[in-house]
Amino acid sequence: DAMVIQNPRYQVTQFGKPVTLSCSQTLNHNVMYWYQQKSSQAPKLLFHYYDKDFNNEADTPDNFQSRRPNTSFCFLDIRSPGLGDAAMYLCATSRNYNEQFFGPGTRLTVL
Amino acid sequence: AQKITQTQPGMFVQEKEAVTLDCTYDTSDPSYGLFWYKQPSSGEMIFLIYQGSYDQQNATEGRYSLNFQKARKSANLVISASQLGDSAMYFCAMREGVGQGGSEKLVFGKGTKLTVNP
Repeated sequence: DAMVIQNPRYQVTQFGKPVTLSCSQTLNHNVMYWYQQKSSQAPKLLFHYYDKDFNNEADTPDNFQSRRPNTSFCFLDIRSPGLGDAAMYLCATSRNYNEQFFGPGTRLTVL
Repeated sequence: AQKITQTQPGMFVQEKEAVTLDCTYDTSDPSYGLFWYKQPSSGEMIFLIYQGSYDQQNATEGRYSLNFQKARKSANLVISASQLGDSAMYFCAMREGVGQGGSEKLVFGKGTKLTVNP
């Protein structure tokens, strides 16, 4: 089945230690998104790629970076995680800007 | 101002009964799309149903239907014949504009936690 895959499902990191979250998709969608969802809140868009074009949200901290080496993969890099960055990170894809399909998420814990 | 409002933080329903989850939205764009997603405790967001602003009929997908009242700017989700597996968070979301000329952003409401009782 075509799908959006996120690895790992659970990630524990130390305060200030860089961490990378991974997303891959077999849907051949040209748009990939990263959302942050804190406990009991709605998902918040961090940034997205339309093909190779990177689009950052205005209020996304510089601590968050992303890479998309090819159509199938997209990475979220957190350069110096703080306690406030503990959250669920959701990757989503879409064809152009139609309905988005989400991966299972990576739950990040910062110690 | 909030673009998507879900006024019910939590809802309870008996198994096999129908339930309506409320969603109102605010936009001045004549072209927009409305989405409902289900998020179980495992965390994944599952796409349920979509309604375009120009769609003449209310969207339906199996046990899910969308009660779209454009003049009232509401897009309530109706789940018929509730099942225990329907217990989850439900998010209403909107995208303004459609196609490549529209916004890339999905704006989510705060969600409604649905509990289905046996």
